Amino acid sequence: QKEVEQNSGPLSVPEGAIASLNCTYSDRVSQSFFWYRQYSGKSPELIMSIYSNGDKEDGRFTAQLNKASQYVSLLIRDSQPSDSATYLCAVIPETSGSRLTFGEGTQLTVNP
Amino acid sequence: DTGVSQDPRHKITKRGQNVTFRCDPISEHNRLYWYRQTLGQGPEFLTYFQNEAQLEKSRLLSDRFSAERPKGSFSTLEIQRTEQGDSAMYLCASSLPRTDTTNEKLFFGSGTQLSVL
Repeated sequence: QKEVEQNSGPLSVPEGAIASLNCTYSDRVSQSFFWYRQYSGKSPELIMSIYSNGDKEDGRFTAQLNKASQYVSLLIRDSQPSDSATYLCAVIPETSGSRLTFGEGTQLTVNP
Repeated sequence: DTGVSQDPRHKITKRGQNVTFRCDPISEHNRLYWYRQTLGQGPEFLTYFQNEAQLEKSRLLSDRFSAERPKGSFSTLEIQRTEQGDSAMYLCASSLPRTDTTNEKLFFGSGTQLSVL
C-alpha cells in the first residue's frame, strides 16, 4: 500500500465550478498534511497545510481532514484557468521523522 | 529573501559520467532535503540534513548517490556512473528548525533537470 494515494486524474472542470481533489494516507498516526501546487515545468509550492480534523479555509481554497478515515481533500471554489496545475498531497508519516511524502499528484484543468 | 537556489538548472551527460548538483537553502533554514521527480510522478524523497548531519536516506537510494552538507549551509548531490534511469528533476527544499508543526513547510528550489544520454 502506498503511503499517500491520490486520484490520478486528470480532472477537468469548467471555469467557476468547484474542483475537488482527494487523498488518502496509510500511516494512521500522521499529524501533518499539506497540499502543494505544481505548474508544468516548475517546482512545487505550498498552498495549504492542515493539522486538525475539520475544514480549513484560505481564500478560494478549503482543506478538509478526517483522521478517522485517513482522508484529506482540497476544494477549489470559483475555479480559474490559472488554477490549472498538478496538485500534490503530502503527508509527514509519524514514523518518518521529518520526511515529507508525496502522492503522485492530480492534474487539474480549468476550462474557460 | 532569495529563496532556495539550485545549480545548474539543466544538465545533460553521457551514461557512465559523474554529475554534481548544488543547492543553497534559505539562509535561516537548518533543514535541507533532496527529492527526485520524474514526469507524472510526485517528488520522491532521497535524503535529509539537519545542519551538517545527514539524518535520513531513502532505502531506495543507490550507493551511486551521495550527498553532503559540509558546513550546514549549501549541499551537494553527486551521482556516480550515471544511468539513463537517473534522468529526472532533482529538487532541493529547505525548512526552519522543527520547533512546532508550523515549521514543517518545505520551500523548494527550481530544480536541476538531468538528462542521461
